[in-house]
Amino acid sequence: AQSVAQPEDQVNVAEGNPLTVKCTYSVSGNPYLFWYVQYPNRGLQFLLKYITGDNLVKGSYGFEAEFNKSQTSFHLKKPSALVSDSALYFCAVGNFNKFYFGSGTKLNVKP
Amino acid sequence: GAGVSQSPSNKVTEKGKDVELRCDPISGHTALYWYRQRLGQGLEFLIYFQGNSAPDKSGLPSDRFSAERTGESVSTLTIQRTQQEDSAVYLCASSSTRELFFGEGSRLTVL
Repeated sequence: AQSVAQPEDQVNVAEGNPLTVKCTYSVSGNPYLFWYVQYPNRGLQFLLKYITGDNLVKGSYGFEAEFNKSQTSFHLKKPSALVSDSALYFCAVGNFNKFYFGSGTKLNVKP
Repeated sequence: GAGVSQSPSNKVTEKGKDVELRCDPISGHTALYWYRQRLGQGLEFLIYFQGNSAPDKSGLPSDRFSAERTGESVSTLTIQRTQQEDSAVYLCASSSTRELFFGEGSRLTVL
């Protein structure tokens, strides 16, 4: 079965510290990989995607993600967290126009 | 418009009533998706439309749920004889380039 796992329900980090939000997947073929962010009572906003090429992709608001094919992972990272980064983050994996979403990770950045 | 538009943004209904949720995709986007997001949970795929092809209905949870799309324009998601477990945010997304653009969602509360 196709699946996307975000093993941490919640990640807590102090402002200014680096952050990592983890994502692993089990989807056949060579899927496309995405990160979305959801602020309270809002829809999902696109952050970044990996289709092909360089394993490190850069996206909006200073976020980046590293694709690791052997580990089937696509962890989201940011060198220095901001309080305004606090939100719900979803990893998504797309294949043949089907998109599989992780359960989401709540990021809390404390001042 | 510039983004995906959903209406109503909020709907409160009584158990047993029918509801219709509307989605206006981004102009030119051939693909349209409906997802359900229960409180504190991830995204649950409901249905996918691609151009004039037969829709992928594999995610619809019961025959009380149906959706239509006219060509590459507006889609409506209909829930008949609503139940309390239908309470959720219903998210619509459209796509043209392997990236989903989400609306703000329709929050359904079934009393």
